[in-house]
Amino acid sequence: DAKTTQPNSMESNEEEPVHLPCNHSTISGTDYIHWYRQLPSQGPEYVIHGLTSNVNNRMASLAIAEDRKSSTLILHRATLRDAAVYYCILRDVGDDKIIFGKGTRLHILP
Amino acid sequence: DTGVSQNPRHKITKRGQNVTFRCDPISEHNRLYWYRQTLGQGPEFLTYFQNEAQLEKSRLLSDRFSAERPKGSFSTLEIQRTEQGDSAMYLCASSYEGQRAQQYFGPGTRLTVT
Repeated sequence: DAKTTQPNSMESNEEEPVHLPCNHSTISGTDYIHWYRQLPSQGPEYVIHGLTSNVNNRMASLAIAEDRKSSTLILHRATLRDAAVYYCILRDVGDDKIIFGKGTRLHILP
Repeated sequence: DTGVSQNPRHKITKRGQNVTFRCDPISEHNRLYWYRQTLGQGPEFLTYFQNEAQLEKSRLLSDRFSAERPKGSFSTLEIQRTEQGDSAMYLCASSYEGQRAQQYFGPGTRLTVT
């Protein structure tokens, strides 16, 4: 079973920041937090991952709570192309497969 | 394009028929994964290969399903005696070997069993 909890859906306005929350209260010390997203009619794509410290890349930022029981994916300036289902996933040592939950469906309003 | 490719993109078949899907991974990746996704759900893991060896199979993979990866390159997923419950998107992904390695997904094959 998925070990994360995410809202089913969220809305945001175009060109505004989006904060996508994820709860993972049972996270273990060796779990990495990964985010993937799935655009309409496409396979999932990797967004970002982290362990303890906040992470930034060209797509997004990942803010991880100090106790690691929650995290937030931040899209700094949403575009219509960011409309997708966003999956928050925990991956431990030896986790070769990915266990997806239902994710958050993000709607971007023009 | 050097991404993961899957063929066919769509397949409609009648119940009881056999179907086979193909996945071509990114060439330098030695791991290949199969997932299944039904409407409104996240992808579910089916099986994965490291080179030509099938290392793990999900309980979801009934005996009607078989996957192969001859020579550690492309992979095929065959479903025998299809049932309406097999209707889904079948996704393939590949990655380098390594713990928690990033997986690159193909566009999927959508199967409809009538």
